[in-house]
Amino acid sequence: KAGVTQTPRYLIKTRGQQVTLSCSPISGHRSVSWYQQTPGQGLQFLFEYFSETQRNKGNFPGRFSGRQFSNSRSEMNVSTLELGDSALYLCASSPTGLNQPQHFGDGTRLSIL
Amino acid sequence: AQSVAQPEDQVNVAEGNPLTVKCTYSVSGNPYLFWYVQYPNRGLQFLLKYITGDNLVKGSYGFEAEFNKSQTSFHLKKPSALVSDSALYFCAVRDRTGANNLFFGTGTRLTVIP
Repeated sequence: KAGVTQTPRYLIKTRGQQVTLSCSPISGHRSVSWYQQTPGQGLQFLFEYFSETQRNKGNFPGRFSGRQFSNSRSEMNVSTLELGDSALYLCASSPTGLNQPQHFGDGTRLSIL
Repeated sequence: AQSVAQPEDQVNVAEGNPLTVKCTYSVSGNPYLFWYVQYPNRGLQFLLKYITGDNLVKGSYGFEAEFNKSQTSFHLKKPSALVSDSALYFCAVRDRTGANNLFFGTGTRLTVIP
C-alpha cells in the first residue's frame, strides 16, 4: 500500500505570495490532518478534514485554509505569505476511528524569502 | 483542554543500555495515547498506541510504553538502545470525544552513543 504522498517536497516563495500544498492520503483513509512544524513551536495542528468537511481547526489565521476532495486528497493554501510561515508542513491520514494512528507524509518544506 | 509534556528536550544513552523517554499528559476522561518517531527530513512514523487494556504496550522496533493512569504518564522504553534509535520522539494524546485532534508534545531528541 502506498503511503501518504505530499507534493512538492520543497518550495521557495517570497513574502506576499500564496502557495498551495497537496496531500494524497493512504488509500481508504478518509481523514486528513495538516500540521506545521517549526524548531521554535514544534508541531502545531492546522486543521482536519473528513469526508470533504473540516472537522477540527487549530489556532491559525484565516490566511491558512484547506479543502478535501471526494477522493480524500487534500490541499492546503496559504495566502499573503509571511517570513514566519517558513516551516515543514506535514500531512497525515487515518481511517475513521479516533483511536487509529495517523500516518504521515514526509512533508513540504516551505521557505519564505 | 488537553496537553502533553515531554520534560526532557534531549536524552543521551549509551548503546546497549536501556532507554526511557518521558511523557505526561492532561486530558478529560480516558485518553488515546501515541508515540511517534521522526528521522531527519522525514515525516513522523507511528511506534505504538494505548487504547485500553494492558498498561504495557509493545510497538515497533522493540519499543514499549507503560500507561500509568494515576501519574498520567506514558513513558517510552526500550531494553537495549541501538545507535539507529537516535531520532526525535513525540508523544501525542487525543481525548475520546472527537472534539479535539491529536495533540503533540514538543519532542525529545534521543542520542544513542556508540
